[in-house]
Amino acid sequence: QVTLKESGPALVKPTQTLTLTCTISGSSVSAGGMRVSWIRQPPGKALEWLARIDWDDDEFYSTSLKTRLTVSKDTSKNQVVLTMTNMDPVDTATYFCARTYSYSYYFDYWGQGTLVTVSS
Amino acid sequence: QSALTQPASVSGSPGQSITISCTGTSSDVGDYDFVSWYQQHPDKAPKLMIYEVSNRPSGVSNRFSGSKSGNTASLTISGLQAEDEADYYCNSYTTSSTHVFGTGTKVTVL
Repeated sequence: QVTLKESGPALVKPTQTLTLTCTISGSSVSAGGMRVSWIRQPPGKALEWLARIDWDDDEFYSTSLKTRLTVSKDTSKNQVVLTMTNMDPVDTATYFCARTYSYSYYFDYWGQGTLVTVSS
Repeated sequence: QSALTQPASVSGSPGQSITISCTGTSSDVGDYDFVSWYQQHPDKAPKLMIYEVSNRPSGVSNRFSGSKSGNTASLTISGLQAEDEADYYCNSYTTSSTHVFGTGTKVTVL
């Protein structure tokens, strides 16, 4: 049984840095072929892919947000962490983490998502 | 990377078939067979429905099928049912080693 769960603050102030953690059970972040992506969805809007970290620590970022994003993993805790700097109200969204496995490029398991509101 | 283009809404009566298009470029949909489709009900996480253009995960109804021609991928739902009413998103891997989602399509069962 594979599960992913996002955690982090529900509210951040403009200009602050957001840190979100994805805790994974039933699948190792260091297993060959394992990839974890972060995806967000503003209220009432479409999904947007943000970043990905692979089993071999390769990192990939959305072109439009790459200067603000960092993704990392903690293999001892089987977690993936996303940091986003200089938060703005337009970054208000539900943030999901999702697994890609077996060297593929589709998201087979998703977390439930965590709503982050950016407001002063 | 611009979002893939999907129709904003598609509707059909129960039992009918509908098709949702997903148009990209030669840098994403047109260059790889790594197109996937996701179903999202309100306030729920997306669910994988089709991967690698036309493959169905275990447990997904065979009423869902996928295809691709050039820079456009398509999802067809046959025998439309009330439970199919949801938002649908396509996704493609890109030549920049990133991913891009579609603009999303709201499916309404009349």
